[in-house]
Amino acid sequence: GENVEQHPSTLSVQEGDSAVIKCTYSDSASNYFPWYKQELGKRPQLIIDIRSNVGEKKDQRIAVTLNKTAKHFSLHITETQPEDSAVYFCAARGANAGKSTFGDGTTLTVKP
Amino acid sequence: DAGVIQSPRHEVTEMGQEVTLRCKPISGHDYLFWYRQTMMRGLELLIYFNNNVPIDDSGMPEDRFSAKMPNASFSTLKIQPSEPRDSAVYFCASSPGNEQYFGPGTRLTVT
Repeated sequence: GENVEQHPSTLSVQEGDSAVIKCTYSDSASNYFPWYKQELGKRPQLIIDIRSNVGEKKDQRIAVTLNKTAKHFSLHITETQPEDSAVYFCAARGANAGKSTFGDGTTLTVKP
Repeated sequence: DAGVIQSPRHEVTEMGQEVTLRCKPISGHDYLFWYRQTMMRGLELLIYFNNNVPIDDSGMPEDRFSAKMPNASFSTLKIQPSEPRDSAVYFCASSPGNEQYFGPGTRLTVT
């Protein structure tokens, strides 16, 4: 089955700096890669996703890049703000798989 | 749409009691997932359904856990008997295919 590894497990940055979270996956058939943000005491919520026919996608201060050859994808947050502090999960879903396999999460702390 | 609805939001019960968690998915979504989240084990997929049929229950920890989806708008996760180590936040999520929409979760405490 699919295996997703996420790094780092914790990340602390100064407000205004950039943050990068990286994930690798094992199943070359995976074709959908979402990122979820979970604030303390809240539910995970989708913030951005990318499909395997695209190399990069941006939405304001967040972007995701995908390298299918190397089987890794990354989340980039620019100009970080304290409200970006949360746990971020990456995931991967195969074309014929009903479920997404989640990474273990990255706790991002943005210091004001 | 109101989103995924879960009840109860909080449940405190004594060891040995039966616990039933409920979920109403977003209308039209074909997939329904049950997750458990703890500090120690992170976010774990317990079971998921496609068109009301259980597809993968390999994450269900043991026979004390069972899940049903009698129709497209309702699912239950039952723990019988409950144990203190079952204390966690249980999330239900639904999906039209790719992205998942999580409910607010049920915080279960077993004393």
